[in-house]
Amino acid sequence: RKEVEQDPGPFNVPEGATVAFNCTYSNSASQSFFWYRQDCRKEPKLLMSVYSSGNEDGRFTAQLNRASQYISLLIRDSKLSDSATYLCVVNYVGYSTLTFGKGTMLLVSP
Amino acid sequence: DADVTQTPRNRITKTGKRIMLECSQTKGHDRMYWYRQDPGLGLRLIYYSFDVKDINKGEISDGYSVSRQAQAKFSLSLESAIPNQTALYFCATSGTATGELFFGEGSRLTVL
Repeated sequence: RKEVEQDPGPFNVPEGATVAFNCTYSNSASQSFFWYRQDCRKEPKLLMSVYSSGNEDGRFTAQLNRASQYISLLIRDSKLSDSATYLCVVNYVGYSTLTFGKGTMLLVSP
Repeated sequence: DADVTQTPRNRITKTGKRIMLECSQTKGHDRMYWYRQDPGLGLRLIYYSFDVKDINKGEISDGYSVSRQAQAKFSLSLESAIPNQTALYFCATSGTATGELFFGEGSRLTVL
């Protein structure tokens, strides 16, 4: 069974806020994890990979909790341009393609 | 120019018609994919190909077929379109199994 669960949102936050999304996966034998960003009516694009030790890219921090089988994305100092849908993606062991969550919508307001 | 190009970008057709969506890429990747996206259902894999002679069904292949004409080209066909195939279709490529996916801009298909 390979599933990726996300809260669909939308998360409505004001500019400057900190917001966090979680994503749970169903199989502890998972190899790699990613966050993709999809703007409205656009194609998904890789935002960042998620490493076991956690990783940061500017205002974005991704963390992996293997014991509880979830990954998280933290966005600090939200910008209007952060408004998008964030897709959690997992590569399950034994599968040759990636599994996408349904996405979490973020709306940042002035 | 985009690295992954899809044509047409928008198409309206009638039930029963045959439709082909085309995808070409300039990234030199062996792996190519077709996904469809529906509101509330996320991205679902239709077919994928890891090289010119390799074709694999995804989770929702019924009603679709594909052709990998060359390393750079991967087309998706709907032999007899039906209204529940109305969706946004994405082609994607990757260099490795777990590597970054590069998507085309999407083809919006409406079946009346």
